[in-house]
Amino acid sequence: GAGVSQSPSNKVTEKGKDVELRCDPISGHTALYWYRQSLGQGLEFLIYFQGNSAPDKSGLPSDRFSAERTGGSVSTLTIQRTQQEDSAVYLCATGQGASPLHFGNGTRLTVT
Amino acid sequence: GESVGLHLPTLSVQEGDNSIINCAYSNSASDYFIWYKQESGKGPQFIIDIRSNMDKRQGQRVTVLLNKTVKHLSLQIAATQPGDSAVYFCAENKGGTYKYIFGTGTRLKVLA
Repeated sequence: GAGVSQSPSNKVTEKGKDVELRCDPISGHTALYWYRQSLGQGLEFLIYFQGNSAPDKSGLPSDRFSAERTGGSVSTLTIQRTQQEDSAVYLCATGQGASPLHFGNGTRLTVT
Repeated sequence: GESVGLHLPTLSVQEGDNSIINCAYSNSASDYFIWYKQESGKGPQFIIDIRSNMDKRQGQRVTVLLNKTVKHLSLQIAATQPGDSAVYFCAENKGGTYKYIFGTGTRLKVLA
């Protein structure tokens, strides 16, 4: 597609379960970011990929969070043993060179 | 859909009037700036950008002004329409590095 695609758009899970969030970037965009947005908060940086490498993982909140990117394209963000404080909108953004980041519509994660 | 930024500063504008949304950026070395619009339940959408070698840039119904002396960015929306109702936030970037700093946003409400 023409834009950044994220799936699922909504995810409700029980506390303690694992979830996987997917991001399909704009074709050709080598830079890929994951952000978290909680109600009333700004964008919280989680991780940055350049190609398949993640030179900056400093925003991942705990070792329950991990992400990978394959083929310089699709990325998955995995949250293990989900907690209620993980409830938020998870946004993926991609970019190329000195251009603006383009965002997907996010995955709204609710942990019950 | 989920509301974004429940406790953000709010600007209420009459339909047809002009809107001015302000942003104070943090890093005097930043040289690339972006405005995003985020509607409820959606991801941030690119509106307009400006580089530090300019102090003004115009798009369709939008103008961005950059004042590097006081590290201030503004977004002007002409003839504000109901569809402009959203949260607007700025982003700054330094030297084409991968790091973007995002503002917390301003909610624009358009009154009929």
